[in-house]
Amino acid sequence: GAGVSQSPSNKVTEKGKDVELRCDPISGHTALYWYRQSLGQGLEFLIYFQGNSAPDKSGLPSDRFSAERTGGSVSTLTIQRTQQEDSAVYLCASSQNQGGQPQHFGDGTRLSIL
Amino acid sequence: GNSVTQMEGPVTLSEEAFLTINCTYTATGYPSLFWYVQYPGEGLQLLLKATKADDKGSNKGFEATYRKETTSFHLEKGSVQVSDSAVYFCASWAGSYQLTFGKGTKLSVIP
Repeated sequence: GAGVSQSPSNKVTEKGKDVELRCDPISGHTALYWYRQSLGQGLEFLIYFQGNSAPDKSGLPSDRFSAERTGGSVSTLTIQRTQQEDSAVYLCASSQNQGGQPQHFGDGTRLSIL
Repeated sequence: GNSVTQMEGPVTLSEEAFLTINCTYTATGYPSLFWYVQYPGEGLQLLLKATKADDKGSNKGFEATYRKETTSFHLEKGSVQVSDSAVYFCASWAGSYQLTFGKGTKLSVIP
């Protein structure tokens, strides 16, 4: 597509439920990034994919968070047993190649944990 | 490690006022520097960038100059409009895959 597409745009769920967030990068972009934007905290890097592999998972906040990317395209970020502190906007970005700039961002998924 | 510090907001200006948002960075070597803008309900958009010392990035009336001696990349606009109301993020890239962002500065422009 023309830009990075994220779904859903909004997600409200109960504490303890699992959620899946989807990112569809710009066609042909090999690098994909997930960030978390919490109120007043700026952007927190979560994970980076080059192709289908994730060289750096160190930004994932806990083992409840996981991400995968298949076919060098779509990525899903999964949060298991959600907690209220997981409430945030989750942003996905892609770039043309490894370490490439600029990164192109999607509109994000606003996640609210009740 | 790398870090970016930008002035805390919120910043409220009247239309046609002059805007400055300060940004300083720490990095190993000479990073590329960026300003991103986030309009309400949207993702981040690249506003401008500079890749080496003394470069000036500009777009939509905004400017920022890469100052190595002061490790700064301040964002300026001579006359802001209501449509400029958004959150502005300064970011650096030191050659790895990861952008380092400041915490963002919210700008509100009132008619």
